[in-house]
Amino acid sequence: QKEVEQDPGPLSVPEGAIVSLNCTYSNSAFQYFMWYRQYSRKGPELLMYTYSSGNKEDGRFTAQVDKSSKYISLFIRDSQPSDSATYLCAMSAAVPAAGTALIFGKGTTLSVSS
Amino acid sequence: ETGVTQSPTHLIKTRGQQVTLRCSSQSGHNTVSWYQQALGQGPQFIFQYYREEENGRGNFPPRFSGLQFPNYSSELNVNALELDDSALYLCASSLELQSSYNEQFFGPGTRLTVL
Repeated sequence: QKEVEQDPGPLSVPEGAIVSLNCTYSNSAFQYFMWYRQYSRKGPELLMYTYSSGNKEDGRFTAQVDKSSKYISLFIRDSQPSDSATYLCAMSAAVPAAGTALIFGKGTTLSVSS
Repeated sequence: ETGVTQSPTHLIKTRGQQVTLRCSSQSGHNTVSWYQQALGQGPQFIFQYYREEENGRGNFPPRFSGLQFPNYSSELNVNALELDDSALYLCASSLELQSSYNEQFFGPGTRLTVL
């Protein structure tokens, strides 16, 4: 079993839809949870990070972490064609520095049609 | 402020050859991490350099090695290339602050193809 599981999709939705992206994990030591967006031929860019359990909102994006279920989610409201990209979840057991590796999921490819 | 840059953008090598990839970290950052992203996969941690010392390593063989220079730029060297080394190699820089979260900023990557 991989440490982080993420359905690769692809996921296709119409413009304006609510998108739900999810990851499950097996390592209970993970404390930092991140969502990255990666456009084609680009490096990943950080969308949001959450420490421990709870919700975090930033504009149209909401991140949720449920440590009891080892399950994290990213919701995108009012999706736009510019949201079409690959979304990667990432986790770490300690502060993402000082030699701490980020453990990534496979990524989910999202396509938003206008 | 200049972001993370990587060179070359892409290159093609044959099995058994050696390759060097380069990364310039974002201004003010002192930590560089390298990741390998195979097609259809998420990035996998190779190693991290902090103040010119290796500061953490993933599950990669010793033929993957690196350097960090006094200006915090970095190189990734891969010897005896194998077909499975074909991937996008990503460099990420950050400012080492142990007491708080600090974002890793990724470069655009170098696409390596091994024939």
